[in-house]
Amino acid sequence: DQQVKQNSPSLSVQEGRISILNCDYTNSMFDYFLWYKKYPAEGPTFLISISSIKDKNEDGRFTVFLNKSAKHLSLHIVPSQPGDSAVYFCAASAGYGNKLVFGAGTILRVKS
Amino acid sequence: NAGVMQNPRHLVRRRGQEARLRCSPMKGHSHVYWYRQLPEEGLKFMVYLQKENIIDESGMPKERFSAEFPKEGPSILRIQQVVRGDSAAYFCASSPGQHREKLFFGSGTQLSVL
Repeated sequence: DQQVKQNSPSLSVQEGRISILNCDYTNSMFDYFLWYKKYPAEGPTFLISISSIKDKNEDGRFTVFLNKSAKHLSLHIVPSQPGDSAVYFCAASAGYGNKLVFGAGTILRVKS
Repeated sequence: NAGVMQNPRHLVRRRGQEARLRCSPMKGHSHVYWYRQLPEEGLKFMVYLQKENIIDESGMPKERFSAEFPKEGPSILRIQQVVRGDSAAYFCASSPGQHREKLFFGSGTQLSVL
């Protein structure tokens, strides 16, 4: 029972263009969403988050959009850089605490 | 200012042996979480501990797996009588509190069961 789904296993983007990573969820109790970035042989590192009371959060080149009615969120990276090449995980939580439910991840490759 | 430290980085065990994975949280963090990543999958929550207490172990298999976070020393994830299906990357994360804090992950322990 996958409560958080990232349907694109991989994405390839040209340097300087926009990268859009998508995530869908099924549990309407989720009220906090996060994106993590992971390089090989390292642990995930926090990138950006959004509370369910918002529909957009921006941090530099990274913007997360939340569409609650569609149970969908997306991460936009603009402009994309080769150093952004990594696995991106969408995660969600319900209520207090840090018990996160992760998607399977999307491999982003930014070509120079 | 060290981050979350996990050791060993790689652990090889034969079927039936025990695996012990260690995690030292970031300084000042009293909340520890263990997650497991199977190949081609996302991270899956296993257990949440505070010092000397297991708060939520809803993601732990009922048998062979146990976790502790003693008053002194690192958190330990222990897997008894390992089987090939236990082969995975095990990540520990810590946070200073419970309220929507961001988790800080360690680099993980890759367990391989032969």
